[in-house]
Amino acid sequence: QKEVEQNSGPLSVPEGAIASLNCTYSDRGSQSFFWYRQYSGKSPELIMFIYSNGDKEDGRFTAQLNKASQYVSLLIRDSQPSDSATYLCAVKGGQNFVFGPGTRLSVLP
Amino acid sequence: EAEVAQSPRYKITEKSQAVAFWCDPISGHATLYWYRQILGQGPELLVQFQDESVVDDSQLPKDRFSAERLKGVDSTLKIQPAELGDSAMYLCASSLLGGFTDTQYFGPGTRLTVL
Repeated sequence: QKEVEQNSGPLSVPEGAIASLNCTYSDRGSQSFFWYRQYSGKSPELIMFIYSNGDKEDGRFTAQLNKASQYVSLLIRDSQPSDSATYLCAVKGGQNFVFGPGTRLSVLP
Repeated sequence: EAEVAQSPRYKITEKSQAVAFWCDPISGHATLYWYRQILGQGPELLVQFQDESVVDDSQLPKDRFSAERLKGVDSTLKIQPAELGDSAMYLCASSLLGGFTDTQYFGPGTRLTVL
């Protein structure tokens, strides 16, 4: 069974710091990788996606992918209290998305 | 901006009753997904449609759950009878074609409480 693992947290960082969120996956055939942010009681919203090994930057967010290590991460620079949420890693191989359990991030003012 | 629509947003029902959820995907999106999310967990795929055809319903509890997308546009997910363990957020998402470069977008969800 395809698995996606994340540290459930909570991960606490001070305002202005870099938050680092990690995700590992079991299916070597996975082709695309997504990060979603989910506020309490709300639905997931897409932050960014990555397909190729290396880094991809979008504003304060950077996704990093290492397919050899089956590892994907999300860095949030200059963290703000509004970034406090659960971050879901989703992996796609074939037709289906498989989600991790999410990491809860708390940014302290 | 195009969005996935879902209704109702909240539903409270008693066990053994029937419930139904509706989803209207982003216009032009061929792939529609229904997920169940239990508090503190990631979304779990229940059923995936490509146009009007089911492509994956392996995790759908078929003794009580059913889903349809008759004209390949909007979709209905039904639970009959509801059980206490069905209390969760039911999320609908859609994507353009379903390929590996595709991204999916979620609706606001339906929060189901079974008493």
